[in-house]
Amino acid sequence: GAVVSQHPSRVICKSGTSVKIECRSLDFQATTMFWYRQFPKKSLMLMATSNEGSKATYEQGVEKDKFLINHASLTLSTLTVTSAHPEDSSFYICSANPGQGDTDTQYFGPGTRLTVL
Amino acid sequence: GQNIDQPTEMTATEGAIVQINCTYQTSGFNGLFWYQQHAGEAPTFLSYNVLDGLEEKGRFSSFLSRSKGYSYLLLKELQMKDSASYLCAPMDSNYQLIWGAGTKLIIKP
Repeated sequence: GAVVSQHPSRVICKSGTSVKIECRSLDFQATTMFWYRQFPKKSLMLMATSNEGSKATYEQGVEKDKFLINHASLTLSTLTVTSAHPEDSSFYICSANPGQGDTDTQYFGPGTRLTVL
Repeated sequence: GQNIDQPTEMTATEGAIVQINCTYQTSGFNGLFWYQQHAGEAPTFLSYNVLDGLEEKGRFSSFLSRSKGYSYLLLKELQMKDSASYLCAPMDSNYQLIWGAGTKLIIKP
């Protein structure tokens, strides 16, 4: 099946620094990628929809200047948490949609655990 | 390697009971999640099991056997709105989620 990877898997940073998380579709091209945030034992909260070659669409309440998304190619989307604070500590998960007739299927990445000290 | 197996698709009748099985192999284990996902929507958390046994939450129950690498999600009194994909996702020793491909559940009247 389709594989989505994330890098890094874990990151610990100091408050005020920026962290970049990569999401890659390894064996398919993804016109659309999604970024989620998960709190312990909670549902995935959709943060934004990333479309290749255009600006991301952010969900209500998500600060676009704090969570910068760049979908530079059909296999890579990045999420940058700028000026991270302890409340940004969370598990960030991406998913990718191949499109092209397979629009209902999302393939999820393994997640990135961010800890801000 | 790490692997998740769950049926691709299941069909059940409104009002009935259905069990969705999931077997897994992971590097270490830190619990297992079940999510429900309707087409075009974000997954919704259903359950989290970290100890063996059955956890019941309303119409939904989830079972885990760590020694067997096995979990199931039990849905009772099925309703049409339960038609969705159900994702099994164990968490490995690095706290990374290993996603199954999901089971598409079709409910018929």
